[in-house]
Amino acid sequence: QLVQSGAEVRKPGESLKISCQASGPGFSNYWIGWVRQLPGKGLEWMGIIYPSDSDTRYSSSFQGQVTISADRSIDTAYLHWSSLKAADTAMYYCLRLVFGVFYWGQGTLVTVSS
Amino acid sequence: DIQMTQSPSSLSASVGDRVTITCRASRAIHTNLAWYQQTPGKVPKLLISAASTLQSGVPSRFSGSGSGTDFTLTISSLQPEDVATYYCQKYDSVSWTFGQGTKVDLK
Repeated sequence: QLVQSGAEVRKPGESLKISCQASGPGFSNYWIGWVRQLPGKGLEWMGIIYPSDSDTRYSSSFQGQVTISADRSIDTAYLHWSSLKAADTAMYYCLRLVFGVFYWGQGTLVTVSS
Repeated sequence: DIQMTQSPSSLSASVGDRVTITCRASRAIHTNLAWYQQTPGKVPKLLISAASTLQSGVPSRFSGSGSGTDFTLTISSLQPEDVATYYCQKYDSVSWTFGQGTKVDLK
């Protein structure tokens, strides 16, 4: 099971880190990823991380725009923005791949507005 | 990056119709493909993994096939509760790219 942090409202230029906590054993040994869904649009893969060694891969669309990290001590993955834009307003999902099956978090709505 | 192209982008069908959605990868991905169903305001629901493995609890009218670059999701007899947007997703240790989605509604 993946439990994401709650909805956030921020102003343009502000930073933000949202979280995704996994339950069950083996946090370090399964890839976790983040997906963006803009209002009324499709699913966009942002990046993935392997917590065991923090190997991280980004979609070319999101490279340099966000940072994905993980804290193995608390079984939690993070998605971080250093400077938000209005265009970052979206629902963000985390998901984990375990033995070929994807498990999804409930989503975190991020609203960026002045 | 490997690109995933779904077709059609939308379709209308009648209850009981057979519905087929295709997904094409820009390079071979073996059978590393998942299919999802999403209704508005809901978390995507995993229907099929490994191109053809039906997930527990998913009705048997859903099936998946294909390998390499060409994949298909089939609904053998469309039901009203199947109205949704469907996505394919390629996955490996490099990327988890989605198709652009196929919106299915009732005629």
